[in-house]
Amino acid sequence: GAVVSQHPSWVICKSGTSVKIECRSLDFQATTMFWYRQFPKQSLMLMATSNEGSKATYEQGVEKDKFLINHASLTLSTLTVTSAHPEDSSFYICSARRAGTSAYNEQFFGPGTRLTVL
Amino acid sequence: GQQVMQIPQYQHVQEGEDFTTYCNSSTTLSNIQWYKQRPGGHPVFLIQLVKSGEVKKQKRLTFQFGEAKKNSSLHITATQTTDVGTYFCAGGQNAGGTSYGKLTFGQGTILTVHP
Repeated sequence: GAVVSQHPSWVICKSGTSVKIECRSLDFQATTMFWYRQFPKQSLMLMATSNEGSKATYEQGVEKDKFLINHASLTLSTLTVTSAHPEDSSFYICSARRAGTSAYNEQFFGPGTRLTVL
Repeated sequence: GQQVMQIPQYQHVQEGEDFTTYCNSSTTLSNIQWYKQRPGGHPVFLIQLVKSGEVKKQKRLTFQFGEAKKNSSLHITATQTTDVGTYFCAGGQNAGGTSYGKLTFGQGTILTVHP
């Protein structure tokens, strides 16, 4: 159990276009989902915390108008990279925590989405 | 903001040797979690430590949480080639307010094991 999927697994787009990435918890409900960005051989940088039915909480330095997050249901959160530019190219990973569990419980990670902006 | 430093960045060992990675936080943590990411994969939860001075073992892996809840370590005894990957520590803040129990990840330690 506790499987998280992401779609697409990779995407190549032109500069200036918008890209939507989906994060789904397949076999559990997730009140809270997290969006991370990871550069090659580097750590995971938290971008924002997404809570079902409310506005996302963004980390300092992350532009909320550029990285739009929608957590419409207990099993789905989406990240939209608007007007993407080459510097947005990265590996985006989401994670989810089971609804009804302690805020200190483990996070289940999706397989990630590789975004390349030309 | 909270910072979690992890060393070493890289560790190359011969199969059978031991391995240790260390984490230090700039602030007191509510909990610390450890994750393993295989090459090309995504992070997978290993364990969580919550109590001051806590020590937990999983077969050849030993996890420690410092008395001040600001540092932690992961020790692998007699490494195997299957241990290859990046090990991340992740410090948790109190879940009050808007933190929602978010984690701050260390930089990770990339472990390679030579057969």
